[in-house]
Amino acid sequence: SAVISQKPSRDICQRGTSLTIQCQVDSQVTMMFWYRQQPGQSLTLIATANQGSEATYESGFVIDKFPISRPNLTFSTLTVSNMSPEDSSIYLCSVSTDTQYFGPGTRLTVL
Amino acid sequence: EDQVTQSPEALRLQEGESSSLNCSYTVSGLRGLFWYRQDPGKGPEFLFTLYSAGEEKEKERLKATLTKKESFLHITAPKPEDSATYLCAVQITSGTYKYIFGTGTRLKVLA
Repeated sequence: SAVISQKPSRDICQRGTSLTIQCQVDSQVTMMFWYRQQPGQSLTLIATANQGSEATYESGFVIDKFPISRPNLTFSTLTVSNMSPEDSSIYLCSVSTDTQYFGPGTRLTVL
Repeated sequence: EDQVTQSPEALRLQEGESSSLNCSYTVSGLRGLFWYRQDPGKGPEFLFTLYSAGEEKEKERLKATLTKKESFLHITAPKPEDSATYLCAVQITSGTYKYIFGTGTRLKVLA
C-alpha cells in the first residue's frame, strides 16, 4: 500500500491566478497520476507523471495549463495556471503500486 | 471506445436490506477491474481488485464478482456507515497503465 498526502487540502483563488498542488508519497513509486473530479462527476485523468521524463497528458489537457513536476520518486506537483471558475474541482494525486492509491484531494474554488 | 458504466446512479436502502451495484465495461483488453469507496470530501479508498472472469473477493459486508462483461458489488445487510459513493475502474492493456473510471453509485443506507 501507499500513504499519500496533498497540500493544500483546499483553497479559494481569484480568476487569472495560479495554484500549485503538492503530492507526497511515503515510498518510492515510479508512476504517479493527477486526476480531476468535478462536482458530482467521476474521475478524469489529467496526466501521468514519471520521474525523469516529461508528463504524458490526456486529450483535452495541455502542459501550459497544467504544468507538472516530478523531481524524485516520492514527490510531484501540479500547477493549475491562469485559473477560471471552470477549473473549480477536486484535484487528486494517485500512485500505482500493486494497485492504484489516492491522496485525500485538493478542493479548489475559483471565483 | 473503452467505456465503463455504473448503475444505478443512486440507491437508497434500509439498514439490513441487501442489494447489488453494477459495473459494465467495454474495453479492448482488461488488465484488472477495481472497486473504490469514496466518502464526501475525500479521495477514493481502495476496496478490491479482480483480474479474471469468475473471480470473487469479499471484505466484511461487501463481495465483488467479475464476468467478461460486468462486475457486481454485493452489499449484504448494509449499515448506515456503508453510505458512500462506490466507484468502479478498469485498467486496460493498451501498453499504458491508464485507468478508466465509471461515474459511480451513490449509496445511502437509512437506519
